[in-house]
Amino acid sequence: ETGVTQSPTHLIKTRGQQVTLRCSSQSGHNTVSWYQQALGQGPQFIFQYYREEENGRGNFPPRFSGLQFPNYSSELNVNALELDDSALYLCASSPGQGPKQFFGPGTRLTVL
Amino acid sequence: AQTVTQSQPEMSVQEAETVTLSCTYDTSESDYYLFWYKQPPSRQMILVIRQEAYKQQNATENRFSVNFQKAAKSFSLKISDSQLGDAAMYFCAYRYGSSNTGKLIFGQGTTLQVKP
Repeated sequence: ETGVTQSPTHLIKTRGQQVTLRCSSQSGHNTVSWYQQALGQGPQFIFQYYREEENGRGNFPPRFSGLQFPNYSSELNVNALELDDSALYLCASSPGQGPKQFFGPGTRLTVL
Repeated sequence: AQTVTQSQPEMSVQEAETVTLSCTYDTSESDYYLFWYKQPPSRQMILVIRQEAYKQQNATENRFSVNFQKAAKSFSLKISDSQLGDAAMYFCAYRYGSSNTGKLIFGQGTTLQVKP
């Protein structure tokens, strides 16, 4: 059974650019959540997708958007990057709306 | 709004000894879940243990156990027989039980150092 995978592992962007991060959910999981983790902090919930629909959103501006595909993989898009967007972005998948979430290894984004 | 607080930024323990990590939370809900996650330097968040609020019995997973005090809104993690591989950042997290968003609310984390 393949776990949650994320790509890329690291990337560096400059302020104002746009970025797309990708997540493949664990087999059989139709729910994907995205979190932002600043250095030395706990993760903050960005949003969740369930069966290709956004199903809850945290306190993040509209320039953070996402997508879920029919195979339940997901993308996180961030427009007009700001320096404060530098963080580890974590993806978590779960089977339905159950309480257990399985996390991927994250993508480290650095904005210069 | 629900909040999770971990008041110990760093803890250390001698190998084979026992350590307890503290967590308090604030909620007005009666139906919720509490979790402890471990994040090693590899960054991948790993679920250590889960507690359902309606269960009075404290959860146990091998060397890991919790002390769940619902009235006090306290949820501490005890690690027995500490091993070098336990060194990591530990996060306490809360999830509203009836939520259909599955949103986890995390504390600030506690870095655990295990000394040989």
